[in-house]
Amino acid sequence: SQKIEQNSEALNIQEGKTATLTCNYTNYSPAYLQWYRQDPGRGPVFLLLIRENEKEKRKERLKVTFDTTLKQSLFHITASQPADSATYLCAPEGAGAGSYQLTFGKGTKLSVIP
Amino acid sequence: SAVISQKPSRDICQRGTSLTIQCQVDSQVTMMFWYRQQPGQSLTLIATANQGSEATYESGFVIDKFPISRPNLTFSTLTVSNMSPEDSSIYLCSVKMPGGETQYFGPGTRLLVL
Repeated sequence: SQKIEQNSEALNIQEGKTATLTCNYTNYSPAYLQWYRQDPGRGPVFLLLIRENEKEKRKERLKVTFDTTLKQSLFHITASQPADSATYLCAPEGAGAGSYQLTFGKGTKLSVIP
Repeated sequence: SAVISQKPSRDICQRGTSLTIQCQVDSQVTMMFWYRQQPGQSLTLIATANQGSEATYESGFVIDKFPISRPNLTFSTLTVSNMSPEDSSIYLCSVKMPGGETQYFGPGTRLLVL
C-alpha cells in the first residue's frame, strides 16, 4: 500500500535560517505532489504543487523539489520567520487516469525560534 | 479558490448519539471530500461526496456509520452515528474546483465524545 513519511514530527529552527522538510513516499509514483500548511484549530491551506516532470518550484520564500528517482520531495523555507511556525503536510496524488485523491503525511511541526 | 464553512465548529456529545456536520461552499464545486484527523495523526479520507448519487467510501469507513448527503453542488453533510469515544476527532470537509488540482479545506469540526 502507499506510504508517506515525513522526516520528523517536529523541527526547531532559528529565525533567519532555512528550514528543510522531507517527504518520502513508497509503493507508487504520484503524478504530482502538494504541500499544505496547517495551523492549530484550522484546516490545511495549499502552498505549492509540483509535477513529476518538474525538478523544482518556487513561491516567494518557499521552494519545493521533486526527485522521482529517490521518491522524495524537499520543502524549503528560506529566511524563516516565527510566523512560519505551523505543521506542514506533504500530499502526493495518485497517478493514473481518474486519480483525484490526496494521501497526506503525518506532517512536520515547524517551530521558528526568534 | 473557495470559501468553506462548517457547522458546528465544535461539539461535545454523549456516547451512542449522532451528530450531523454541515459543509457549505461559496461556489459550485464538482468534488467534495470528508476527512478525519485524529489527535496527533494526519488527515484520513472518509469518503467522496457525490452530487446526485451515493458517496464513495474509503476502506475502513461504512455508510451506516458515516452517512453523507450531497443535495446540491454547494452543500454536504456528514453524520457520525452511534458515537463512541474513538470517534473523537476533527472532521474536515474539502472541495476541489472544476479543472483544479488543489483542495480547499473548511475550518474543521472538533468533536469530543464522552
